[in-house]
Amino acid sequence: EPEVTQTPSHQVTQMGQEVILRCVPISNHLYFYWYRQILGQKVEFLVSFYNNEISEKSEIFDDQFSVERPDGSNFTLKIRSTKLEDSAMYFCASSERDQPQHFGDGTRLSIL
Amino acid sequence: AQSVTQLDSQVPVFEEAPVELRCNYSSSVSVYLFWYVQYPNQGLQLLLKYLSGSTLVKGINGFEAEFNKSQTSFHLRKPSVHISDTAEYFCAVRVIGGFKTIFGAGTRLFVKA
Repeated sequence: EPEVTQTPSHQVTQMGQEVILRCVPISNHLYFYWYRQILGQKVEFLVSFYNNEISEKSEIFDDQFSVERPDGSNFTLKIRSTKLEDSAMYFCASSERDQPQHFGDGTRLSIL
Repeated sequence: AQSVTQLDSQVPVFEEAPVELRCNYSSSVSVYLFWYVQYPNQGLQLLLKYLSGSTLVKGINGFEAEFNKSQTSFHLRKPSVHISDTAEYFCAVRVIGGFKTIFGAGTRLFVKA
């Protein structure tokens, strides 16, 4: 069964540095998403992306964050000037229209 | 705005016993409903979905859920659990035609031998 893949599985970064989290969505999916889960808290929506533009974003997704689909297969989340509170598990997801979202195994981001 | 409430944070149960994980949601518009399972150190795996049609939906691993519109509930059930069902279970909703999925806080199911 096709799956969403995320790299790296664990990223450790110094506070203030930029980090890029990478995802390869399921190949025939057109809708892409990022979510995060701070330890012990709910899974929270960050952003959705369709047709090379953001279709919806949450209040968490401020100017510190950006997303990009640099080629036909990758979908990235960039976090500029990371803060301690950015430490979380970040999940990428993809879907077809009006279908369930399929999630990757996540990238654990640790900010030191 | 939509919200999801999972009424139990932890559910301990003995192997081969039945289990029900409760979920209530709030929304002023029609939604899709989902249950996801998260095993340790893994991502979110879709267990089952309600998009339309029959209110009783069957998913993987012997789980099923019933959509009750009048009670705004979508409880998850399994008649006989296994040790391998030990995991975190998330109820979730998404507005029809919308993009973001709203998750509940999760219920940790712990199956004891």
